[in-house]
Amino acid sequence: SQQGEEDPQALSIQEGENATMNCSYKTSINNLQWYRQNSGRGLVHLILIRSNEREKHSGRLRVTLDTSKKSSSLLITASRAADTASYFCATCYYGNNRLAFGKGNQVVVIP
Amino acid sequence: EAQVTQNPRYLITVTGKKLTVTCSQNMNHEYMSWYRQDPGLGLRQIYYSMNVEVTDKGDVPEGYKVSRKEKRNFPLILESPSPNQTSLYFCASSLWGTSGYQETQYFGPGTRLLVL
Repeated sequence: SQQGEEDPQALSIQEGENATMNCSYKTSINNLQWYRQNSGRGLVHLILIRSNEREKHSGRLRVTLDTSKKSSSLLITASRAADTASYFCATCYYGNNRLAFGKGNQVVVIP
Repeated sequence: EAQVTQNPRYLITVTGKKLTVTCSQNMNHEYMSWYRQDPGLGLRQIYYSMNVEVTDKGDVPEGYKVSRKEKRNFPLILESPSPNQTSLYFCASSLWGTSGYQETQYFGPGTRLLVL
């Protein structure tokens, strides 16, 4: 099935550094969403970006979308230990009523 | 408080013993969905429902059943559980956006199931 694929799969950074992760997808989307999951808990929605948008911000999070390259990136600035989590992108494809989740990026922020 | 609740949170059972995992949301969402999460495989959709009495298969529906008799509830039924259904299960709900596509999904806390 079609789904977003995050890259890199695992990231380890020092507190205060920025963390960037990417997501690629295969066909035209209506929107793309990023979620965070802390250690086996439910996923929490972070940001939704629509196909006609190029960039969105929410606090220390910045999401970009490049529809020509079929990719998105999530940037976490000034990371904190509490940002340690798995991050998932999810794509909502045109002609499909489902969200397709990627396998997730594990981010570890070292205090 | 707006939320999706699941019960039970943890369950240990034996092969073949029917079980039901309940899911309820209080946000009047039309769309509800069940996922399973396994190491290395990410989140895979089992079944989804676009509204009352409307359900459809996701990516991995074998061995599962669902029903949507009321808007707020979407139970997941394992009629004859097997060890390969040992997993972490999530229920989620969302609204349809004005574009006709899904908006933010709200997830329940998860049900960790072990089938012996």
